Amino acid sequence: AQTVTQSQPEMSVQEAETVTLSCTYDTSESDYYLFWYKQPPSRQMILVIRQEAYKQQNATENRFSVNFQKAAKSFSLKISDSQLGDAAMYFCAYRSVYNSKLTFGKGITLSVRP
Amino acid sequence: DSGVTQTPKHLITATGQRVTLRCSPRSGDLSVYWYQQSLDQGLQFLIQYYNGEERAKGNILERFSAQQFPDLHSELNLSSLELGDSALYFCASSDNRNSPDGYTFGSGTRLTVV
Repeated sequence: AQTVTQSQPEMSVQEAETVTLSCTYDTSESDYYLFWYKQPPSRQMILVIRQEAYKQQNATENRFSVNFQKAAKSFSLKISDSQLGDAAMYFCAYRSVYNSKLTFGKGITLSVRP
Repeated sequence: DSGVTQTPKHLITATGQRVTLRCSPRSGDLSVYWYQQSLDQGLQFLIQYYNGEERAKGNILERFSAQQFPDLHSELNLSSLELGDSALYFCASSDNRNSPDGYTFGSGTRLTVV
């Protein structure tokens, strides 16, 4: 079974600075998808970014980018120019190509200092 | 609005009672997923339905059941409720065509058992 680990429960960043959220996963599959979801205080789950394992190029969405290290089974999220609205809980998630079930990490709470 | 509708948004009920949570998926999505988010367990997968059929089962208690109707809406039934069932229950939907897209989440139902 696949597992997703987010070992840091909390992080803090100064507004306008850069922060990296860590995620590791365990799988025996060679092809899969990885995701970062954001959950603000409203509790809505919002897709931030996704990465297909067969793609070597790291995904980027505006201020959000990932560092995908397939051999190390690591999938970190970098947030550049942090904004107050980035304060939220962030979840890393894994999905096999063979089914559509998402396996989530326990999440990390990010706070942004003004 | 994500396109996934969950009702009710909040529910307070007593131990031993039974409740029904409702989810309408995004238009065109055939798969519905239910997740439970509690403070100590993170997001736990409960069950998936695809076009009316149960597709995958996770850590769903025997006191819980779900179904997906011909119009594709889904209901999660929770019975003999215990204090520990207090959580945020999310529904999500996908087109399940094995695309790299993640889910689209509803805004959740906050269940409080007193």
